Amino acid sequence: DTGVSQDPRHKITKRGQNVTFRCDPISEHNRLYWYRQTLGQGPEFLTYFQNEAQLEKSRLLSDRFSAERPKGSFSTLEIQRTEQGDSAMYLCASSLGQGATNEKLFFGSGTQLSVL
Amino acid sequence: DAKTTQPTSMDCAEGRAANLPCNHSTISGNEYVYWYRQIHSQGPQYIIHGLKNNETNEMASLIITEDRKSSTLILPHATLRDTAVYYCIVRVVPDSGNTPLVFGKGTRLSVIA
Repeated sequence: DTGVSQDPRHKITKRGQNVTFRCDPISEHNRLYWYRQTLGQGPEFLTYFQNEAQLEKSRLLSDRFSAERPKGSFSTLEIQRTEQGDSAMYLCASSLGQGATNEKLFFGSGTQLSVL
Repeated sequence: DAKTTQPTSMDCAEGRAANLPCNHSTISGNEYVYWYRQIHSQGPQYIIHGLKNNETNEMASLIITEDRKSSTLILPHATLRDTAVYYCIVRVVPDSGNTPLVFGKGTRLSVIA
């Protein structure tokens, strides 16, 4: 257990529905990341937060995706109007912050999304 | 960030040392080498990182060549629980801001009894 928890572990939804995932990082960690991983590929960066500020978004993050981190604690990732191509493992990670050592990422176990 | 090249897969006998190579011939002076691994159905796990000196911790050793164009992750006594995908990542750590980790496909290590 890394201390990063994600909920739910699995989500099955129908195409066109909205889904929301939650991530609770390690409590003292300032940075929070979202990644997506499809079968046979490494994780792909989606976005990250420094405290409550969303500082970078990948071009993979289409307009249907939105992430928030109110109060700099937990984060949510919402996907609107899901498509079958959104089926993937969504991973959350947190880190302490600046510097090579502090930038060690601690990942949760992910949320597996299946869009039917 | 510089690109890395890793073998797609490797086998290792249980109890033997697993040596996982990584080529990063275009690495620049301010880029660190990070290793993560991902066991099936789990998120990636940090293993070790280094800049130019060799590093060792309780999980593994990282050997970086003098020209820094390649590195080797060594698991000294591999166990079945070390079966995983191992990612070698080269990354700038800026004084401010951030550069996210960029994962490739990694090396699938199978430890065989």
